[in-house]
This record gives sequence, structure tokens and C-alpha cells, in this order.
Amino acid sequence: QQQVKQSPQSLIVQKGGIPIINCAYENTAFDYFPWYQQFPGKGPALLIAIRPDVSEKKEGRFTISFNKSAKQFSLHIMDSQPGDSATYFCAALNQAGTALIFGKGTTLSVSS
Amino acid sequence: EAQVTQNPRYLITVTGKKLTVTCSQNMNHEYMSWYRQDPGLGLRQIYYSMNVEVTDKGDVPEGYKVSRKEKRNFPLILESPSPNQTSLYFCASRPRGRGEAFFGQGTRLTVV
Repeated sequence: QQQVKQSPQSLIVQKGGIPIINCAYENTAFDYFPWYQQFPGKGPALLIAIRPDVSEKKEGRFTISFNKSAKQFSLHIMDSQPGDSATYFCAALNQAGTALIFGKGTTLSVSS
Repeated sequence: EAQVTQNPRYLITVTGKKLTVTCSQNMNHEYMSWYRQDPGLGLRQIYYSMNVEVTDKGDVPEGYKVSRKEKRNFPLILESPSPNQTSLYFCASRPRGRGEAFFGQGTRLTVV
């Protein structure tokens, strides 16, 4: 099944909060899981990525948690700021590297 | 500077008038793709190409054509645009087998 399910569709948090965006997949042949960030009027840009041989990856205030047995991964944004307001897409790459499948996106608003 | 360049950024056209959206990348990437982004539907792949002269349909190919005569260019052709093709379009490129995709700035197309 070539699908990545992302939730929630939208999220509003206050400055300093920790928004969490979740993704789930069914195809065990995926082996690379990137997150993309998109600001209004711009194309998506790679934010952070993880491979299934690790359970967590941190880059600055952004953390990916990965649960291989549950086939789920999530993005946590620590100490969120208004500048983090954007649309976030999770994605999964198959082992052959031929298909990069995107979730439907989460629109995050961080209020000051 | 590594980039994916799309033109035009904005386009308003009439039903049935053929148009081409150009896409060019300067990173020598093998893979290139076209996506359309619609509210609530996320990024849906239209066509992709794994190398010169190798193209294949994505999830929503109806009404679109592509060609890949050179490695750097991947134009999207709408032979007879219809109002349901009004959308935000993104071109993306990535290296073979890798999940780090680079997106263009987008083309907002309106068909009236």
C-alpha cells in the first residue's frame, strides 16, 4: 500500500508549546522518512529526516520520533515560535528510491 | 546556487488554450517530478521522470503531458486546460535513490 496518513490536518498552539504531527504508513518497504516545511508562497523544503534503524533524531528544536513496529513517526517542535507557522508534510521513500510518497500536510499556526 | 526554477510563477488562461510550464534544475539530479497542491489534498504527483527520455504517470496524470529531452529540464504541458486544473503546481528534483527533494517556487495556474 503506497500511502502515508498524516494527522491532524491543522493545529493551533501558543508560543512555547510543543506541537506534534503524526504520520503512519503501511508499506514496510519504506526506508527513509523526511519531513518538509512549506511557508506561504514557497515550495516545500526538507526540514529533517530519519531512517528506520534509529528511534529518534533531533535537529535544533525539531525532533522526529520513529516507531518501526507500529509503522508510525511523528514530528515534535520544541518551544514553538510564530516563525514556525507553516505547512508540514511527512513523506516516505521506498527502498528502491523510486517513489517519494507525501502525507496530505498539516497547517500549523503558532500564536504569540 | 542549487535551485529548481519554474516559470511562470503566475498564469491565468482560458479553457482550451495550450500552455507549458517550464522547470529547470542545476543540480544534475536524475529524478524530476511534477506535483499539484490543492487545499485538503496535499501534494499529488502528476508525472515523474527517472532520467532522460524516461517518464511515467503519477497519481493524477489526466490532462497533462511531460517530456524529458535533457537532464535539467522537465516541462509540464497542458494541451487543453480546463477549470479543474486550476491549482498550485510544483516541480521537484532529487538525486537517484535519495529522498531529499528540492522544490521550485511554484506556479499558480488559474483556468477560466
